Amino acid sequence: EAGVTQSPTHLIKTRGQQATLRCSPISGHTSVYWYQQALGLGLQFLLWYDEGEERNRGNFPPRFSGRQFPNYSSELNVNALELEDSALYLCASSLRIGTQYFGPGTRLTVL
Amino acid sequence: TQLLEQSPQFLSIQEGENLTVYCNSSSVFSSLQWYRQEPGEGPVLLVTVVTGGEVKKLKRLTFQFGDARKDSSLHITAAQPGDTGLYLCAGAHNAGNMLTFGGGTRLMVKP
Repeated sequence: EAGVTQSPTHLIKTRGQQATLRCSPISGHTSVYWYQQALGLGLQFLLWYDEGEERNRGNFPPRFSGRQFPNYSSELNVNALELEDSALYLCASSLRIGTQYFGPGTRLTVL
Repeated sequence: TQLLEQSPQFLSIQEGENLTVYCNSSSVFSSLQWYRQEPGEGPVLLVTVVTGGEVKKLKRLTFQFGDARKDSSLHITAAQPGDTGLYLCAGAHNAGNMLTFGGGTRLMVKP
């Protein structure tokens, strides 16, 4: 069974641009979560989507947004990129409530 | 903010030694997960503990959830170089479904 997949693997952007990151959950999972892992800051919760709706949001500015599609895949959009947005962005999926399984991540570099 | 204190931050030991990693919080969690992460990759689930006082074993790894579901420990017996990596504990809250991560323990096992 395929695990959580994320694309792209790496993404390089400049300040002020927008980035779009994609995630496909494990088959049968309806919940998708996004986390940011910045150097020295650990894993920080960003967003939780379930059944197409945003269910919870971490302490991040509104320029971090996303959506979940009918097939349960998800996009994370980061607008007006700043240098400190450089990080590994991790997607996880789970059943409605359950253990979260992580994808390999997207490394975003903002120059 | 729910905090999860993980210790030690760094651990360098010789092959064959035993070690214990601790996660402590003042909050009660509905469950707690332990993950292992390699550089540039996503965290890989090791175990989920749900019941207070629960003990789970995975080969040379022993995981314990505190009676009050506020703390957990990971004990590795006879560590091997292949155990080298970043170990993360993460507490789950049913209400928000987000994971609160500890700061991680970077383990190096020298041959």
